[in-house]
Amino acid sequence: EDQVTQSPEALRLQEGESSSLNCSYTVSGLRGLFWYRQDPGKGPEFLFTLYSAGEEKEKERLKATLTKKESFLHITAPKPEDSATYLCAVQALLPGGTYKYIFGTGTRLKVLA
Amino acid sequence: GAVVSQHPSRVICKSGTSVKIECRSLDFQATTMFWYRQFPKQSLMLMATSNEGSKATYEQGVEKDKFLINHASLTLSTLTVTSAHPEDSSFYICSARPGGAVETQYFGPGTRLLVL
Repeated sequence: EDQVTQSPEALRLQEGESSSLNCSYTVSGLRGLFWYRQDPGKGPEFLFTLYSAGEEKEKERLKATLTKKESFLHITAPKPEDSATYLCAVQALLPGGTYKYIFGTGTRLKVLA
Repeated sequence: GAVVSQHPSRVICKSGTSVKIECRSLDFQATTMFWYRQFPKQSLMLMATSNEGSKATYEQGVEKDKFLINHASLTLSTLTVTSAHPEDSSFYICSARPGGAVETQYFGPGTRLLVL
């Protein structure tokens, strides 16, 4: 069964304390993996799309990497404004050429000043 | 680029009334739009997928007569919650996919619905 699992569920960091969020996936055919940031009461904000193993993308303090089984979102020297829920999603190919998006349950990140 | 808007951002209605939520892609044409529902501290639950000019595809357990979706153009999709009841109160979020080689979904800011 196609599945996306994010860990940890929640993470508290001190400002400046770097860490990584994990997104592991089991899909029959990966078409793309996506990272989003969601603030309370708002829609998810797009961060990255990764298409193939070995691919990396960076944006400010965030860096996303992809392997054949998982993706990491590295946060370097986080600031309180990085506090949010980070969602991972995969686009999985289905028989017949259609696709579906599968979302993880997210990691709630809290960065303390 | 890739901005998606939703209107209204918040709506309060009486039980039994219908509510329409609009989702617009502002700077791109969306071949596919998605409607999600999100409960507090939970992830997104896909309700339906709509392609411009065709009927929406609803996920299992989502009543299509309850949640009417119209994808009338490449930049507009609407979700109408018919005969709303308190249990329909939730956060509704739409997303749009440009299509072609772009697989990314871009999300709207969400609509908070409260049914009294």
